[in-house]
Amino acid sequence: AQSVAQPEDQVNVAEGNPLTVKCTYSVSGNPYLFWYVQYPNRGLQFLLKYITGDNLVKGSYGFEAEFNKSQTSFHLKKPSALVSDSALYFCAVRDSNYGGSQGNLIFGKGTKLSVKP
Amino acid sequence: NAGVTQTPKFRVLKTGQSMTLLCAQDMNHEYMYWYRQDPGMGLRLIHYSVGEGTTAKGEVPDGYNVSRLKKQNFLLGLESAAPSQTSVYFCASSRRTSGEQETQYFGPGTRLLVL
Repeated sequence: AQSVAQPEDQVNVAEGNPLTVKCTYSVSGNPYLFWYVQYPNRGLQFLLKYITGDNLVKGSYGFEAEFNKSQTSFHLKKPSALVSDSALYFCAVRDSNYGGSQGNLIFGKGTKLSVKP
Repeated sequence: NAGVTQTPKFRVLKTGQSMTLLCAQDMNHEYMYWYRQDPGMGLRLIHYSVGEGTTAKGEVPDGYNVSRLKKQNFLLGLESAAPSQTSVYFCASSRRTSGEQETQYFGPGTRLLVL
């Protein structure tokens, strides 16, 4: 069965420091991986995705993520955090082997990122 | 280009009342989705549609019905609301679920409180 885990409920970072938000996944086939961000009282916004190709994916607002097949991970990173990055971050995965209802995105439970000045 | 819009933004219902949430997208997307978001549980898929006139069940469909009479609209209905349906509901759309085309775009959400 497909699954995705975000092991940290909250990540606290000082402004200017690098940040990492962790995500691991489990699929039977090749994974399609996504990161979304949710600001307070807003919908989810797409940040970046890995479908195929380079393992390092660059996205919006200076974020990037590295696909690591051996560790089944897709951690979100940013070299220098901003206070405005404070939000809820969701990792999502889809198994390329499946169609229909089994081919839908599975979301992690979310990680709250707090960046302090 | 408004993207994905949802109506209403907030609603309070009494147990047993019915209501319909409306989602509209102007991106000509084939696929549309309804999710619910609950604290500590991420997003869970309620129902989805792969095209006009077709709908399918997701992970948590019980207590909800949907209709996709027009390509741009996806309606979520609660026939008899229960307190367990208190949640934030998000609609999303995508071109399709394959490869590069499947990024989902989300609406701003509807907060529903069932008393």
